[in-house]
Amino acid sequence: AAGVIQSPRHLIKEKRETATLKCYPIPRHDTVYWYQQGPGQDPQFLISFYEKMQSDKGSIPDRFSAQQFSDYHSELNMSSLELGDSALYFCASSLGTSGGAGEQFFGPGTRLTVL
Amino acid sequence: SQKIEQNSEALNIQEGKTATLTCNYTNYSPAYLQWYRQDPGRGPVFLLLIRENEKEKRKERLKVTFDTTLKQSLFHITASQPADSATYLCALDPFRGGGADGLTFGKGTHLIIQP
Repeated sequence: AAGVIQSPRHLIKEKRETATLKCYPIPRHDTVYWYQQGPGQDPQFLISFYEKMQSDKGSIPDRFSAQQFSDYHSELNMSSLELGDSALYFCASSLGTSGGAGEQFFGPGTRLTVL
Repeated sequence: SQKIEQNSEALNIQEGKTATLTCNYTNYSPAYLQWYRQDPGRGPVFLLLIRENEKEKRKERLKVTFDTTLKQSLFHITASQPADSATYLCALDPFRGGGADGLTFGKGTHLIIQP
């Protein structure tokens, strides 16, 4: 079965550079979530989109922005990168909002290293 | 403040025994609770969802209970196998009302099944 696709899988950037992470949800899934997971930490929710509209917002820094496109893929744009942004970034998708009462399917993640 | 507590220390269980993991939460009134499995460097994988009006839910060797009075969920793996070794995350929807609410995760319990 098709899974969530994330690209790139690994990314190395310098401080103050920008990065763009991409997420392709499972076909027919209309909801996308972004999470950040630091070393030894639990995943922290950043932002979500339903039908191309921002739905919920978590602890996403102002330096980050995201959007969902007409084909439901999503991009997380990160500017003025800091060392503390080094983490695994997961995208998850689901079908419909259901008030969130449904399983989320996570992608393999993008490992971002900021030097 | 809202808090989800899991025993983040490693839990060592002998193969064949039942592993029991605990998730306690405060200042939430979740309508449902989810459990995920996460292997190192990989995305969380959904295991079970239990709703507030369900006391218990089973799936193969997995069982989840949900006590909204105690604000606690227990996650059981019966006839445990070394392949069950992983980090298990408890997750709640904080119901910010946006629809596609991001999950709030506990820090997870690292389960080790010893042969």
